[in-house]
Amino acid sequence: NAGVTQTPKFQVLKTGQSMTLQCAQDMNHNSMYWYRQDPGMGLRLIYYSASEGTTDKGEVPNGYNVSRLNKREFSLRLESAAPSQTSVYFCASSAGGNGNTIYFGEGSWLTVV
Amino acid sequence: DAKTTQPPSMDCAEGRAANLPCNHSTISGNEYVYWYRQIHSQGPQYIIHGLKNNETNEMASLIITEDRKSSTLILPHATLRDTAVYYCIVRVKVGGADGLTFGKGTHLIIQP
Repeated sequence: NAGVTQTPKFQVLKTGQSMTLQCAQDMNHNSMYWYRQDPGMGLRLIYYSASEGTTDKGEVPNGYNVSRLNKREFSLRLESAAPSQTSVYFCASSAGGNGNTIYFGEGSWLTVV
Repeated sequence: DAKTTQPPSMDCAEGRAANLPCNHSTISGNEYVYWYRQIHSQGPQYIIHGLKNNETNEMASLIITEDRKSSTLILPHATLRDTAVYYCIVRVKVGGADGLTFGKGTHLIIQP
């Protein structure tokens, strides 16, 4: 079972560079999420997509853009990376709505130097 | 928004039951309580969730008090592989976004 798949797993960027984190799920879920986790902290929601074509800002959206390409895929873009964006990024998905489980990918480790 | 309070760390002996408490005194009537765990910065792993009734699955049991202001996650026979950070979460909306708000969780250490 693939579940939620993220690429790349590791990336080093220079300040000011751009990159896109890719995420795909094979569970036919409506909702998808991007979180970040800084050392010693819990996860914080960056963006959320309730369904194809819709996105909403979470707790920490500044510096990021997202695209819900289709039902399976939800990408996160850093247009001009900053050292403060060094973090572990997790994509997640769920069937949507209260009471449904949210499933997470294995994470993408991003370092901005 | 409902928030949760958990002890920062706990120890438990291998083979014993691990009981992890969580307070969520401001929870509203339609908000579920979720438990996840995270091992070595891997992706959070779903454990269990519930609304009012106690729940049990192959991993754990969830006991929710009648007033729903607190809950306890029970790992019945803890093993060394259960050492992880455990998050108790009430599902809330953050701005317009529906999701899970993670705190710092409880670092559970299983002692041999």
